[in-house]
Amino acid sequence: DAKTTQPTSMDCAEGRAANLPCNHSTISGNEYVYWYRQIHSQGPQYIIHGLKNNETNEMASLIITEDRKSSTLILPHATLRDTAVYYCIGVSNTNAGKSTFGDGTTLTVKP
Amino acid sequence: NAGVTQTPKFQVLKTGQSMTLQCAQDMNHNSMYWYRQDPGMGLRLIYYSASEGTTDKGEVPNGYNVSRLNKREFSLRLESAAPSQTSVYFCASSSTFWNTEAFFGQGTRLTVV
Repeated sequence: DAKTTQPTSMDCAEGRAANLPCNHSTISGNEYVYWYRQIHSQGPQYIIHGLKNNETNEMASLIITEDRKSSTLILPHATLRDTAVYYCIGVSNTNAGKSTFGDGTTLTVKP
Repeated sequence: NAGVTQTPKFQVLKTGQSMTLQCAQDMNHNSMYWYRQDPGMGLRLIYYSASEGTTDKGEVPNGYNVSRLNKREFSLRLESAAPSQTSVYFCASSSTFWNTEAFFGQGTRLTVV
């Protein structure tokens, strides 16, 4: 299973891009990188996922390095409502049942 | 469209009591999951059901049992509650067992005294 490492906390100015890194150096070839976020104590919310190509959706962009050992979640124009805990996890068909969210990164968007 | 619904939202139990946490999804998803989240920590998987009729242990199954009642419903039972089980419990579902996003309920806040 991929063990992920994320910084404990980050700050970002409102309107600026927030770049959240994740290290997953032990990721296997069939593991997808998923990003979720949790606002206050609500249930986590899916953001984006990818295997090896960069991905973009209406919420964010995901940049995965060529060696797949790390990735970066980009929120292009952070708002105060993006303040949350962001989780990066590795998931595959063989480990999906064991997927555990680490402690994540607490992103604080400041005015 | 309700998504994933958990009941109850809050519960206080005495040590040794039993209870069942209910979870239902209306998205016709095949896979369902139960997680727990202790204060200041990430979510840990308790049990999961990859498809109707199957259940498997996750990372922290001790002290819990589950039932996949039908495709919509996945319940979590605490047979003899302990203070260490004080936590927030989240149920989630996904259309397939992997490679798809999971949708989470709003959580059940359980306190065992």
